[in-house]
Amino acid sequence: GDSVTQMEGPVTLSEEACLTINCTYTATGYPSLFWYVQYPGEGLQLLLKATKADDKGSNKGFEATYRKETTSFHLEKGSVQVSDSAVYFCALSDRFQGAQKLVFGQGTRLTINP
Amino acid sequence: GAVVSQHPSRVICKSGTSVKIECRSLDFQATTMFWYRQFPKKSLMLMATSNEGSKATYEQGVEKDKFLINHASLTLSTLTVTSAHPEDSSFYICSAIGNGELFFGEGSRLTVL
Repeated sequence: GDSVTQMEGPVTLSEEACLTINCTYTATGYPSLFWYVQYPGEGLQLLLKATKADDKGSNKGFEATYRKETTSFHLEKGSVQVSDSAVYFCALSDRFQGAQKLVFGQGTRLTINP
Repeated sequence: GAVVSQHPSRVICKSGTSVKIECRSLDFQATTMFWYRQFPKKSLMLMATSNEGSKATYEQGVEKDKFLINHASLTLSTLTVTSAHPEDSSFYICSAIGNGELFFGEGSRLTVL
């Protein structure tokens, strides 16, 4: 079945460092890909998404490009802030299973130190 | 933006008791809600799809008699963990579809002693 594999955390960086959180997937159909973020004490929020190959999703300085050839959707940010500390989840939805039926990675906890 | 709220956020109970977790869509109506379970350092696993006014659809391997889901109104779905045991201890998260988007609750941590 469909699956998502994320870089194992936790990840700790200093403010203004570069960030990459790796995400790869396996899917039989044509998935849409998502990054969700969960700040402490809050629910998951959609950070960005891409619905087809070569699409780039971006939001709040974060970017991820849908790479079909490497089945990847790595999350990147050039200069992280303390406020980016959260848990990040990569996810996919297969249109044949239903757009809202998400398959999640295990999450990566990110801590940014000042 | 749309808000989904869960209650309680944390609950501790004795083995053998039942626990109810509520999921509410605060500013929109949700005909469909989803319940997930998250184990430590594991991904969120979809447990069931809750449809207003009808029976929930459970994922393979999820005991429907153990995890009772009721979606009696367009703004409320409940998950009841019946006769809870320590292995049911987990983080339970709900989500709801609003305006074509998926919104998540903040999660409920259940600890069964």
